Amino acid sequence: EAGVAQSPRYKIIEKRQSVAFWCNPISGHATLYWYQQILGQGPKLLIQFQNNGVVDDSQLPKDRFSAERLKGVDSTLKIQPAKLEDSAVYLCASSLELAGSYEQYFGPGTRLTVT
Amino acid sequence: AQKVTQAQTEISVVEKEDVTLDCVYETRDTTYYLFWYKQPPSGELVFLIRRNSFDEQNEISGRYSWNFQKSTSSFNFTITASQVVDSAVYFCALSESQDSSYKLIFGSGTRLLVRP
Repeated sequence: EAGVAQSPRYKIIEKRQSVAFWCNPISGHATLYWYQQILGQGPKLLIQFQNNGVVDDSQLPKDRFSAERLKGVDSTLKIQPAKLEDSAVYLCASSLELAGSYEQYFGPGTRLTVT
Repeated sequence: AQKVTQAQTEISVVEKEDVTLDCVYETRDTTYYLFWYKQPPSGELVFLIRRNSFDEQNEISGRYSWNFQKSTSSFNFTITASQVVDSAVYFCALSESQDSSYKLIFGSGTRLLVRP
């Protein structure tokens, strides 16, 4: 079974530029998560989808971050404009259903460096 | 409020030593789930174990074992006879049933270095 796919793996941009990350979850997984992991910290949830609807985006900086999951499968996370403090690894995860009894499977992440 | 504390920032051991990684959590919910994930240098978080709040049985999987104690709000992880391949950052995480998103609240991680 294929795991969670993410691209690109690495991205370097200048501040005020825009960037987009792509995630393809495990086939059949209804729930998709985007986490931000700053160096030396644990991942922090940015946004969560159940199929193509948003469940939780309370920690998403909506003035610059946006995300969508139009067909309930792939998802895109965008930052526009980027700030230096956005430098982090952006992790996508998926789970079979929306419940604590289901583990979340993580992709390899996209390492973003903002200069 | 939910919180997960991993007080050990970094642990260094020599191969074949046993090592215990501590995890203390805070929650007001009676139904919750605890997880351990491993993050090797490649960066991908690997699921190790899930425990629900009603199951306090300790679990052993090969060289790994977990000790869940609700009385002390702890969910500690022990690696027996550590190996160099165990070197990674280990995260403890919590999710609550009262939180409709079931998002994972992670600790800050413990970096384990196993020296040959």
